[in-house]
Amino acid sequence: QKEVEQNSGPLSVPEGAIASLNCTYSDRGSQSFFWYRQYSGKSPELIMSIYSNGDKEDGRFTAQLNKASQYVSLLIRDSQPSDSATYLCAVASGGSYIPTFGRGTSLIVHP
Amino acid sequence: EPEVTQTPSHQVTQMGQEVILRCVPISNHLYFYWYRQILGQKVEFLVSFYNNEISEKSEIFDDQFSVERPDGSNFTLKIRSTKLEDSAMYFCASRGGLFSSYEQYFGPGTRLTVT
Repeated sequence: QKEVEQNSGPLSVPEGAIASLNCTYSDRGSQSFFWYRQYSGKSPELIMSIYSNGDKEDGRFTAQLNKASQYVSLLIRDSQPSDSATYLCAVASGGSYIPTFGRGTSLIVHP
Repeated sequence: EPEVTQTPSHQVTQMGQEVILRCVPISNHLYFYWYRQILGQKVEFLVSFYNNEISEKSEIFDDQFSVERPDGSNFTLKIRSTKLEDSAMYFCASRGGLFSSYEQYFGPGTRLTVT
């Protein structure tokens, strides 16, 4: 059974701060890692993908992957109230590349 | 920017009725997926579809479910005899071809309410 674990939160940060969201996964054979943002009642929206160990930056977002520790994180710099949402970590193994989703972490950015 | 579309946005049906949920994937994508999300729970994989056939399905995707690509653009999910526990958001997703990234793009979803 492939598991993807996230702290459900809520994680509350002030506007302008760095939000750090974490995810661990159970399948050592995982090869593809994704972060999605989901506003209440809406569909998941892809933020970033990462496939190799290390950091990947895209604008205010940085994804970090450590396969040895089976850990992936998402940093959001200069957090804005509009970043308030649930952030879903999704992890896929080779072959089918169908992601298993975590329950998500609720992020609240307060002015 | 190309996007996945889904219709209807909300479907209310009575238990035992058949429903068809429709999706138009991104036009040059080759892989198509259905997921569901029960309120307050995880996004769960139902089925994947490639080259006009099911490539993988989950335990949830039992005999009451079927998928079809009736033409070059639409991708449908049929639930033959709906149950109360089928009430959920159903998301269609698509991704590119063999040599593209593994990123999946989701449609806006169909909220299915079974009464």
